[in-house]
Amino acid sequence: AIRITQSPSSLSASTGDRVTITCRASQGISSHLAWYQQKPGKAPNLLIYAASTLQSGVPSRFSGSGSGTDFTLTISCLQSEDFATYYCQQYYTYPWTFGQGTKVEIK
Amino acid sequence: EVQLVESGGGLVQPGGSLRLSCAASGFTFSYYWMSWVRQAPGKGLEWVANIKQDGSEKYYVDSVKGRFTISRDNAKNSLYLQMNSLRAEDTAVYYCARVNWGIVDYWGQGTLVTVAS
Repeated sequence: AIRITQSPSSLSASTGDRVTITCRASQGISSHLAWYQQKPGKAPNLLIYAASTLQSGVPSRFSGSGSGTDFTLTISCLQSEDFATYYCQQYYTYPWTFGQGTKVEIK
Repeated sequence: EVQLVESGGGLVQPGGSLRLSCAASGFTFSYYWMSWVRQAPGKGLEWVANIKQDGSEKYYVDSVKGRFTISRDNAKNSLYLQMNSLRAEDTAVYYCARVNWGIVDYWGQGTLVTVAS
């Protein structure tokens, strides 16, 4: 199975900060990577797919980049509603696998 | 509006069985692959199984192979997960999800399965 290593596991940031989360795949997955946001007690919400394509309705402060094995999610100007846990997921091959998650907390 | 509503979760003893259901609406169910994803309490997300539009292809994570069966009834716009030989480590919220060109784009609210004696 492809391992996805996500970092950091948590971070503290302030509103207005630029935040970067990374995922590294144990083997190449082309651009078959998605990013999800999850708030406590809620289902995940798709933010980005194909590594860099913004899902409809997602604010433009979210962006994704990368291909092959290294990927990045950037939140350009953190808003209060962005405090949540973020997951990356590869859908290049079965079994689909997720990163361990990054909890973005208020500093 | 896409809606996915899971049901069937609950408390079950180790070794027991449970069948989860997911009622889909707001889209043409038979056009899409569907998925089950789970999340143990306080833990991350784990993909469980996928099923093709006509049910002809199914994929599972190794930890549930031979114990769980994913199925669907397109006439009823419903997805199912039959879970047998349940273990404590299967305790999780189980999400039903729509797969759109390989991407999970909509999720249900989840149903909690607790395996304990």
